[in-house]
Amino acid sequence: KAGVTQTPRYLIKTRGQQVTLSCSPISGHRSVSWYQQTPGQGLQFLFEYFSETQRNKGNFPGRFSGRQFSNSRSEMNVSTLELGDSALYLCASSLGWGQPQHFGDGTRLSIL
Amino acid sequence: GQQVMQIPQYQHVQEGEDFTTYCNSSTTLSNIQWYKQRPGGHPVFLIQLVKSGEVKKQKRLTFQFGEAKKNSSLHITATQTTDVGTYFCARGPGTYKYIFGTGTRLKVLA
Repeated sequence: KAGVTQTPRYLIKTRGQQVTLSCSPISGHRSVSWYQQTPGQGLQFLFEYFSETQRNKGNFPGRFSGRQFSNSRSEMNVSTLELGDSALYLCASSLGWGQPQHFGDGTRLSIL
Repeated sequence: GQQVMQIPQYQHVQEGEDFTTYCNSSTTLSNIQWYKQRPGGHPVFLIQLVKSGEVKKQKRLTFQFGEAKKNSSLHITATQTTDVGTYFCARGPGTYKYIFGTGTRLKVLA
């Protein structure tokens, strides 16, 4: 069974640009969560999707948005990038809420 | 309010020594999950605890959930170099939102 796939693995952007990250969950998993990981702040919850609906959102500005498609694949978008957005962005899928989360390898985003 | 504190932040042990990390919450937890992240890797699910006072074992790892469901611990017996990594607890589920602990970074000296 293929794991969670995140693309791209690495990304370099400049301030003010926008970026879209992609996550393909494990087949059959309908819940997808996104996290931001930085050395200083640890793993911070961004949002969770289930059946194309965002069920919760973390404490991030509106520049961070996401969506989920009918095949459960998910994307997150960050607009007007800031230096502080440099981080590892992790996606995790699960069968449903309260179930073990399976993480992808992440997208490492660097802002210059 | 929803913070999950983990202690210690770092731990260096000699190979063969035991290791324990603690996860504390100010509010009652519905369940708690534990994850391990190797350097350069992604978090990998280890276990989920749901019941008050629950104890689960996985080989050299012992996981406990407090009676009041406000704290949890992970104990590793006789550490090995393969145990190196950061161990996270994650509280949840609240309203479809997992809160991860600050993590404990374990270094094992051979």
